[in-house]
Amino acid sequence: AQTVTQSQPEMSVQEAETVTLSCTYDTSENNYYLFWYKQPPSRQMILVIRQEAYKQQNATENRFSVNFQKAAKSFSLKISDSQLGDTAMYFCAFSNYGGSQGNLIFGKGTKLSVKP
Amino acid sequence: DAGITQSPRHKVTETGTPVTLRCHQTENHRYMYWYRQDPGHGLRLIHYSYGVKDTDKGEVSDGYSVSRSKTEDFLLTLESATSSQTSVYFCAISESRAYNEQFFGPGTRLTVL
Repeated sequence: AQTVTQSQPEMSVQEAETVTLSCTYDTSENNYYLFWYKQPPSRQMILVIRQEAYKQQNATENRFSVNFQKAAKSFSLKISDSQLGDTAMYFCAFSNYGGSQGNLIFGKGTKLSVKP
Repeated sequence: DAGITQSPRHKVTETGTPVTLRCHQTENHRYMYWYRQDPGHGLRLIHYSYGVKDTDKGEVSDGYSVSRSKTEDFLLTLESATSSQTSVYFCAISESRAYNEQFFGPGTRLTVL
């Protein structure tokens, strides 16, 4: 069974600085997708970034980028120029390509606080 | 934003009563999911649907049932609510199971007293 581990329950960063959130996963599959979701205090789950396992190039979305290390089964999220609005829970999620259920398997989350 | 609504947004009920949560989408996506979110557990799948009248169980399905009679609606029912079902419930939709980028509704906070 696939598992997703986020080893940092809480993190904090100063505004305008860079922070990296860690995520590791376990799977025997070769084709899969990885996601980072953000959940601000409003509770809404917002997709931040996604990565296809077959792509070697790391995904980037504005200030958000990932470091995808397939062999190490690592998928970290880097937030550059942190803003107060980045304060949220961040969830790493795994999805098997064409899996029988198709659901996302989530880590337990990292609570990020951006301090002024 | 994907057109997903959930109702009610908040509910307080008593142990032993039936509860139905509704998820409504306007995106015509085939796949729909119900998750629950609890502190220290992230989100866990309860049930999912891969088409009208096609549903299956997820990781934490005990005590829950679902129905999908129309593409746009996916109902989650707690037949007899228990305090352990106090949680935040999220509905999600996906167009493709292969790609599986899921979009989430705003969530329903359910409290069972």
